[in-house]
Amino acid sequence: GESVGLHLPTLSVQEGDNSIINCAYSNSASDYFIWYKQESGKGPQFIIDIRSNMDKRQGQRVTVLLNKTVKHLSLQIAATQPGDSAVYFCAETSGSNYQLIWGAGTKLIIKP
Amino acid sequence: DAGVIQSPRHEVTEMGQEVTLRCKPISGHNSLFWYRQTMMRGLELLIYFNNNVPIDDSGMPEDRFSAKMPNASFSTLKIQPSEPRDSAVYFCASSFMGVDGYTFGSGTRLTVV
Repeated sequence: GESVGLHLPTLSVQEGDNSIINCAYSNSASDYFIWYKQESGKGPQFIIDIRSNMDKRQGQRVTVLLNKTVKHLSLQIAATQPGDSAVYFCAETSGSNYQLIWGAGTKLIIKP
Repeated sequence: DAGVIQSPRHEVTEMGQEVTLRCKPISGHNSLFWYRQTMMRGLELLIYFNNNVPIDDSGMPEDRFSAKMPNASFSTLKIQPSEPRDSAVYFCASSFMGVDGYTFGSGTRLTVV
């Protein structure tokens, strides 16, 4: 969904640990998924994407997992650093549709 | 590349005044999007341009909002007259083809008092 309430889900992680951020997507026809990172005062920044013909994709310190059976997407961040503190959004779309459906966002807090 | 450039970064205006937000997309990108972000509603797509032509403006809240893209390197979002409920962060994003490689600007934080 596109809605964001007053309270974002929050994940607190110890620096150096791995983080897993989850997202349940809404449209079974969606075939393209993106994770964005939004730091305070900035616009969303592309992290990693995955298409529905894959179930895993790795980037630098990040991995996205896609489970189409249960419509679930996750973002794994390895060895979390203070600079990873941000709100993370998943987004989905289908075909060549320009319209992204945004998840609610998860706030990641890194504990020193 | 300097990325998507938005101006101003902050705008404070009185209710009833006209507000114009500006965006310069990444050179070579042919898709441009205007978004609004609030805590209550998250990211909302206002309007989408492809090759300078408005394709979908169904997200524009009402007639007080208008957007133009006179050329491939410039777009404006205008609110006239502005109201306090328009207070939000407005983002411009561009891409080469649809949603692939969306790049957002830093946003304009609008406060209408």
